[in-house]
Amino acid sequence: AQSVSQHNHHVILSEAASLELGCNYSYGGTVNLFWYVQYPGQHLQLLLKYFSGDPLVKGIKGFEAEFIKSKFSFNLRKPSVQWSDTAEYFCAVNADTGGYQKVTFGTGTKLQVIP
Amino acid sequence: NAGVTQTPKFQVLKTGQSMTLQCAQDMNHEYMSWYRQDPGMGLRLIHYSVGAGITDQGEVPNGYNVSRSTTEDFPLRLLSAAPSQTSVYFCASSYRNQPQHFGDGTRLSIL
Repeated sequence: AQSVSQHNHHVILSEAASLELGCNYSYGGTVNLFWYVQYPGQHLQLLLKYFSGDPLVKGIKGFEAEFIKSKFSFNLRKPSVQWSDTAEYFCAVNADTGGYQKVTFGTGTKLQVIP
Repeated sequence: NAGVTQTPKFQVLKTGQSMTLQCAQDMNHEYMSWYRQDPGMGLRLIHYSVGAGITDQGEVPNGYNVSRSTTEDFPLRLLSAAPSQTSVYFCASSYRNQPQHFGDGTRLSIL
């Protein structure tokens, strides 16, 4: 079974600072990777996904993530954060076996951006 | 398109009561799942379904039942509510391994 680790539980940044949130997964085979964002009081929304191809994927709102297979990592980055990026961010993984596979979520990272 | 609709949005129960959380999607997705979200624990999978008539357990299934009689609906039943089931519950649906679409959640308190 797969698992996901998000090492940063709470991150506080000033506006315009750069962001990198760590995500590591464990699974021996091919995976699909996701980052979701949850704004206060709302449901999860997809930021970006990686299925195959270019390991650097770009998502909405200026976010990007890089899949490094050798490190089992899929870190989320943004060059310059805004106050509106204050939210909780979840990394998720499922096994790519062609059929339906359960999605496993990390425990989340709360990002607080200070104006 | 309404997407994924969950009802109710809020509910307070007494210990021992039963209730059903409703989830409906209008995207013809075969894959549906229920998660609970607790502070510091992320989303944990309760039950999931890969199609009508097919359900399976996730990582925290105890105390919950599900059924999937149609593609659209995937209700979650609490058999005898306990304070440990106080949580925010999210229903999600997807097509195969595509990203999931989430409902707005049900905030449940058990007294």
